[in-house]
Amino acid sequence: EVQLVESGGGLVKPGGSLRLSCAASGFTFSSYSMNWVRQAPGKGLEWVSSISSSSSYIYYADSVKGRFTISRDNAKNSLYLQMNSLRAEDTAVYYCARTAVAGGFDPWGQGTLVTVSS
Amino acid sequence: VIWMTQSPSLLSASTGDRVTISCRMSQGISSYLAWYQQKPGKAPELLIYAASTLQSGVPSRFSGSGSGTDFTLTISCLQSEDFATYYCQQYYSFPWTFGQGTKVEIK
Repeated sequence: EVQLVESGGGLVKPGGSLRLSCAASGFTFSSYSMNWVRQAPGKGLEWVSSISSSSSYIYYADSVKGRFTISRDNAKNSLYLQMNSLRAEDTAVYYCARTAVAGGFDPWGQGTLVTVSS
Repeated sequence: VIWMTQSPSLLSASTGDRVTISCRMSQGISSYLAWYQQKPGKAPELLIYAASTLQSGVPSRFSGSGSGTDFTLTISCLQSEDFATYYCQQYYSFPWTFGQGTKVEIK
């Protein structure tokens, strides 16, 4: 079964840092580009970042550029999101998602909640 | 940046109704569009990709159409399990963007 499981969320103060992880199983992780998507409480979906299968291509939303870093370890079947200089507006559920071969995101993980508050 | 206008934001309907949701782009994206369903407290699920191709396992009452700038998601005969929020998403160019969402509620 294809599965993505996020971890690392929690409560952090403004200006703080957090590292999210996404453990992949059930598919050849190294063959797929991967993504982070977030959803603020009661709001819509926002694409955050994407990384190609070999890490050659990396993209960020303007809202996180310079503060967040996406990375992956294909030997460990894992995706990461290092989040620095966190702001209240970064409060959201963060999902990792695989880029489907023909487009779109499938599947998604269950999400991990990040709360930025003093 | 490609801006997306999804409408309506709220749709009240009854079981058995035919419903349509629209997604309009600020510029052409060919057919690089996906539709997702999200239920409360759950992750989104891919329904349709390439504007009109049904993801495996998705019921045939769901269909997608359009290309360029105007796209539509249609549910032909609304079932109780279809009451949820739906999002469109373009993957034509970065930054990838989502529509604002359409909540389909029971009338």
